[in-house]
Amino acid sequence: GENVEQHPSTLSVQEGDSAVIKCTYSDSASNYFPWYKQELGKGPQLIIDIRSNVGEKKDQRIAVTLNKTAKHFSLHITETQPEDSAVYFCAAILSGGSYIPTFGRGTSLIVHP
Amino acid sequence: NAGVTQTPKFRILKIGQSMTLQCTQDMNHNYMYWYRQDPGMGLKLIYYSVGAGITDKGEVPNGYNVSRSTTEDFPLRLELAAPSQTSVYFCASTSDSYGYTFGSGTRLTVV
Repeated sequence: GENVEQHPSTLSVQEGDSAVIKCTYSDSASNYFPWYKQELGKGPQLIIDIRSNVGEKKDQRIAVTLNKTAKHFSLHITETQPEDSAVYFCAAILSGGSYIPTFGRGTSLIVHP
Repeated sequence: NAGVTQTPKFRILKIGQSMTLQCTQDMNHNYMYWYRQDPGMGLKLIYYSVGAGITDKGEVPNGYNVSRSTTEDFPLRLELAAPSQTSVYFCASTSDSYGYTFGSGTRLTVV
């Protein structure tokens, strides 16, 4: 089955710095890669996603890049703000079937004012 | 549009008791899922459903049961609660567009 590794487990940055979270996946058939943000006491919320036919996608201060050859994808947050502090999960989904993602273990991002 | 609604938000159970975690979605999504989240362990799939009347086991189904009689509802039943079931439980749903919508979670403690 699919295996998703996520690094780092904890990331501490100063407000205004950039943050990068990296994930690798094992199954080359995976074709959809969402990122979720989970704030304290809340459920995960989809913030950005990318499909395997696209190399990069941006949405304001966040971007996701995908390298299919190397089987890794990354979340980039620029000009971080304290409200970006949360746990971020990456996931990979195999094409077809029941849309069950394999999640990474999460990255706790702390943005210091 | 409420999205995915989970009840209760918090619950304390004694060992051996039973309870049902409720999950309802109003987005007409076919696919629904139950996850548990333990500290530092990410999300583990318990059960899922691809439509009314169809359910299947996920990664950690032991000690749980589900049913899916309608498109909207996907309750999770715990029989004979054990301390190992202390966790935060999330329900999620999706159409065929891959992205999940999660509920706000149920924090369960078994003592």
